[in-house]
Amino acid sequence: DIQMTQSPSSLSASVGDRVSVTCRASQPIGNFLNWYQHKPGKAPKLLIYAASRLQTGVPSGFSGSGSGTDFTLTISSLQPEDFATYYCQQSYNTPYTLGQGTKLDIK
Amino acid sequence: QVQLQESGPGLVKPAQTLSLTCSVSGGSISSRGRYWSWIRQLPGKGLEWLGFISYGGTTYYNPSLRSRVTISVDTSQNQFSLKLTSVTEADTAVYYCARDRQDSGTHFGMDVWGQGTSVTVSS
Repeated sequence: DIQMTQSPSSLSASVGDRVSVTCRASQPIGNFLNWYQHKPGKAPKLLIYAASRLQTGVPSGFSGSGSGTDFTLTISSLQPEDFATYYCQQSYNTPYTLGQGTKLDIK
Repeated sequence: QVQLQESGPGLVKPAQTLSLTCSVSGGSISSRGRYWSWIRQLPGKGLEWLGFISYGGTTYYNPSLRSRVTISVDTSQNQFSLKLTSVTEADTAVYYCARDRQDSGTHFGMDVWGQGTSVTVSS
């Protein structure tokens, strides 16, 4: 299985901050990398697919980059509704493994 | 637009079979390029991908579940199902169904999700 490792595991930030979350795959996965946002009691939400493509309806403050083994999710200016847990997922090979999550909370 | 809704018992006894159904509305479950997935979140843990069934009926499962998991589709009802046998307390989780899209070499991710259903395994 391909292992996905996110860093940091948790992050405290303030409204308006620029934050980045990184995801590393245990082997090259091209651009087969997706990012999800998950809030308690809600369904996860797709933010970015194919490493850098913004899902329809997702604010432009979210962006993704990377290819191969190293990927980054960036939020350019944190909004109150952005505090959540973020997951990366590889879809290069089954099983489609996810990272352990990065919990973003308010400083 | 496509919507998904999970249904099934919220309480299952140990050693029994967990059975959940995901009803698809607003689109056909047989649409090309659609992969119908199950994901779960164990208490206090992250998301775990369980497997999917493709629009053509091909299945892929997470090996971590060994041979306990089966995903099937009922095209007449426009729904797909998850069966997990020989459950233990460790299978207590929120279970989500989701639509995964792939086309012409591009993977569009799991773009539509059900709201999730909580399943507790307990005697």
